[in-house]
Amino acid sequence: DGGITQSPKYLFRKEGQNVTLSCEQNLNHDAMYWYRQDPGQGLRLIYYSQIVNDFQKGDIAEGYSVSREKKESFPLTVTSAQKNPTAFYLCASSQDREITQYFGPGTRLTVL
Amino acid sequence: AQSVSQHNHHVILSEAASLELGCNYSYGGTVNLFWYVQYPGQHLQLLLKYFSGDPLVKGIKGFEAEFIKSKFSFNLRKPSVQWSDTAEYFCAVGANTGFQKLVFGTGTRLLVSP
Repeated sequence: DGGITQSPKYLFRKEGQNVTLSCEQNLNHDAMYWYRQDPGQGLRLIYYSQIVNDFQKGDIAEGYSVSREKKESFPLTVTSAQKNPTAFYLCASSQDREITQYFGPGTRLTVL
Repeated sequence: AQSVSQHNHHVILSEAASLELGCNYSYGGTVNLFWYVQYPGQHLQLLLKYFSGDPLVKGIKGFEAEFIKSKFSFNLRKPSVQWSDTAEYFCAVGANTGFQKLVFGTGTRLLVSP
């Protein structure tokens, strides 16, 4: 069953704690992306990775970090430096030359 | 830089009504255009896309969109909506050069009443 999985579905953390969101894909896609979705603001790009061991900042990278050690995995860490971390986080992937992005189910992060 | 505008934030329709959701983009070069849909509790999924060729593209579930280059628009249409079309719809634009990054609009929430 091919696709993108994100875990957990819901995540609660205390203010000041770092938290890592998981994203795994078995589509053999080269590129992976992280977006943040807030009501009325659509999707905003946090980080993206075109290939293993390489990643680039998106439009709202401050307070976030990523790694891409394996093709199938692209975890996102929300650090304590992120001023407003409560949001819905979406991971996506695409084949290098196939520009259509496919999305995971998302993780809803609530910082208390 | 690219930008995308979806002017309708909330749309309420009765079943069988016709739908048109506006999407305008700002970008000077060749673009790839997408409509994604997010049904309640489900993944964001691709509805349709335009890369080149016929500017009228057909997607899943009876949706279609027309690319009008002179108007920088890619409006989504459906002749007769159903209750199951209740969802949030996102327009997205990607530059047709280099690595593809998508810029999304703010979304339109569609509520179809039975």
